[in-house]
Amino acid sequence: QVQLQESGPGLVQPSQTLSLTCSVSGGSITSGSYYWTWIRQPAGKGLEWIGRVYTSGSTHYNPSLKSRVTVLADTSKNQFSLRLTSVTAADTAVYYCARAASWSGYFVFDYWGQGTLVTVSS
Amino acid sequence: SFELTQPPSLSVSPGQTASITCSADSLGDKYASWYQQRPGQSPVLVIHQDTKRPSGIPERFSGSKSGNTATLTISGTQAVDEADYYCQAWDSGTAGFGGGTKLTVL
Repeated sequence: QVQLQESGPGLVQPSQTLSLTCSVSGGSITSGSYYWTWIRQPAGKGLEWIGRVYTSGSTHYNPSLKSRVTVLADTSKNQFSLRLTSVTAADTAVYYCARAASWSGYFVFDYWGQGTLVTVSS
Repeated sequence: SFELTQPPSLSVSPGQTASITCSADSLGDKYASWYQQRPGQSPVLVIHQDTKRPSGIPERFSGSKSGNTATLTISGTQAVDEADYYCQAWDSGTAGFGGGTKLTVL
């Protein structure tokens, strides 16, 4: 059973960098064909896809966040991370890490972390 | 990113059928997935590739698509189905989500 767990600061100051880590257990992030993904959800609002790192290490980002986002894989620790620079209050949200797996050639989000609340405030 | 449109809310009585729509330009050329999110919980996949139901998801959940509109149908809705539902599709390697539909069972 794959499990994902987010970790990182719950409070970030405006203009600073938000950094989160997702620890994966029950499977290697280097095996199979998976997108290791970050998704966020402001309070009372919908889901927003942030970006992902593929098993091969390639990345893809939401165009609206691309200039501020980096998603990286740390294969030695079986983790992947999110960095979001120059944050504002609009970046306050619950951040989820998730795995997108290829089901019959189509990717679905089959495992999710429990989510971690990040508040941007001074 | 790819934008999908859902109604913000829907109310049904227990035992009735709930139908949630999701529309977008060129959705007909893509597959839609649906996720259920209960309060305080992470989303759970309930339908993928427009019509397929993952193992463990009750048979009362079904999906369909006509043109650029995908529909999630819950037959014989139960109180436990009260949740937010999100449609999702991929476009040029980017995932888009609908704004979500809050399903109330009353």
